[in-house]
Amino acid sequence: GQQVMQIPQYQHVQEGEDFTTYCNSSTTLSNIQWYKQRPGGHPVFLIQLVKSGEVKKQKRLTFQFGEAKKNSSLHITATQTTDVGTYFCAVRDTGANSKLTFGKGITLSVRP
Amino acid sequence: DSGVTQTPKHLITATGQRVTLRCSPRSGDLSVYWYQQSLDQGLQFLIQYYNGEERAKGNILERFSAQQFPDLHSELNLSSLELGDSALYFCASSLHDRDYEQYFGPGTRLTVT
Repeated sequence: GQQVMQIPQYQHVQEGEDFTTYCNSSTTLSNIQWYKQRPGGHPVFLIQLVKSGEVKKQKRLTFQFGEAKKNSSLHITATQTTDVGTYFCAVRDTGANSKLTFGKGITLSVRP
Repeated sequence: DSGVTQTPKHLITATGQRVTLRCSPRSGDLSVYWYQQSLDQGLQFLIQYYNGEERAKGNILERFSAQQFPDLHSELNLSSLELGDSALYFCASSLHDRDYEQYFGPGTRLTVT
């Protein structure tokens, strides 16, 4: 199956700073999804990207799928304390089901 | 609130015991997924059901089993529990079996002592 890697596992930023994290694969991905899990919460779907070079924006969040479809990035502009949580990338199986294979996630903390 | 409910929220049990976790999908959703989240393994897909039938299996141990009932709720049964089974168990649902957006429930935290 398709595997995705997220490094590092933790990142600390000052409120107002920008934040970028990456999701990488050694193989070409058919799609990439991003989820956010707040502390003590459950994963919440943010976005799905399927096209090479695709860029999607949600307010201060910008998601990009690499041209070779082997990586994806999540960029947060001017972080806020509400951005705290763990961000996971995941690949959805495109066979007869929709099972997700998740990366290990990156936990973002924001200093006020 | 995703609309997916899971019971119980917390479960503490001893090694060797058996437990049942319950999930009710969002109204109208036909597909249910189970995931295990632990510190060392991260979020791992266990199993998927669609309209009562098993659709996909992931890294689910033989000691674990699941089913989806005619009313579409699902149960995950964990038996001969070991310390390493301590984790958060999430259920997610989607309208169909190939929908890309899955809605996660609040999870059941299982502690095996």
